[in-house]
Amino acid sequence: NAGVTQTPKFQVLKTGQSMTLQCAQDMNHEYMSWYRQDPGMGLRLIHYSVGAGITDQGEVPNGYNVSRSTTEDFPLRLLSAAPSQTSVYFCASNLGGGRDTEAFFGQGTRLTVV
Amino acid sequence: DQQVKQNSPSLSVQEGRISILNCDYTNSMFDYFLWYKKYPAEGPTFLISISSIKDKNEDGRFTVFLNKSAKHLSLHIVPSQPGDSAVYFCAALPWVIQGAQKLVFGQGTRLTINP
Repeated sequence: NAGVTQTPKFQVLKTGQSMTLQCAQDMNHEYMSWYRQDPGMGLRLIHYSVGAGITDQGEVPNGYNVSRSTTEDFPLRLLSAAPSQTSVYFCASNLGGGRDTEAFFGQGTRLTVV
Repeated sequence: DQQVKQNSPSLSVQEGRISILNCDYTNSMFDYFLWYKKYPAEGPTFLISISSIKDKNEDGRFTVFLNKSAKHLSLHIVPSQPGDSAVYFCAALPWVIQGAQKLVFGQGTRLTINP
């Protein structure tokens, strides 16, 4: 059971570079989301999707783009990386958006922007 | 402004004793609360949850207590085991008519169980 798979696990970018963090789930979950974890801040929601073709912003969306063309994949794009985007990024999926559905998280991508 | 606060960055407990992790929230719109556990180099995993219509939920060694008037919840682990050593995140969900599970997390508490 793969669950939620994130690639890459580690990445170093130069300021101004762009990249895409990949997230794939094999549980046929409708709901997917991206969080970033920073020291002393917990996890904060960047973007989420309630199904293919539908995305919306979370708490900290600036500097990130998402799209959801399939149920399985939810990539996160950094358009022009900044040092403030140095963080650990987690992708999560739920069977639905209901409060009693468990969120399954990937292992995370540690991104450093220099 | 941190809407969910875990004021203890770390906690050390003897194996076999009770571990109590605390969490406070400020937003009255939160009506569902969750605890997640995270090991190093892994993603968070769901542990236990509680709805605001309850004041206690129990699952094996884990019990979550909710005090709505104080806007406070706590996670009790009894007895504590070495495998419980991890970072614990408190999270909350606001009341909405249709759900998008937009979790609001606390900063986390690192629990260390000593043999």
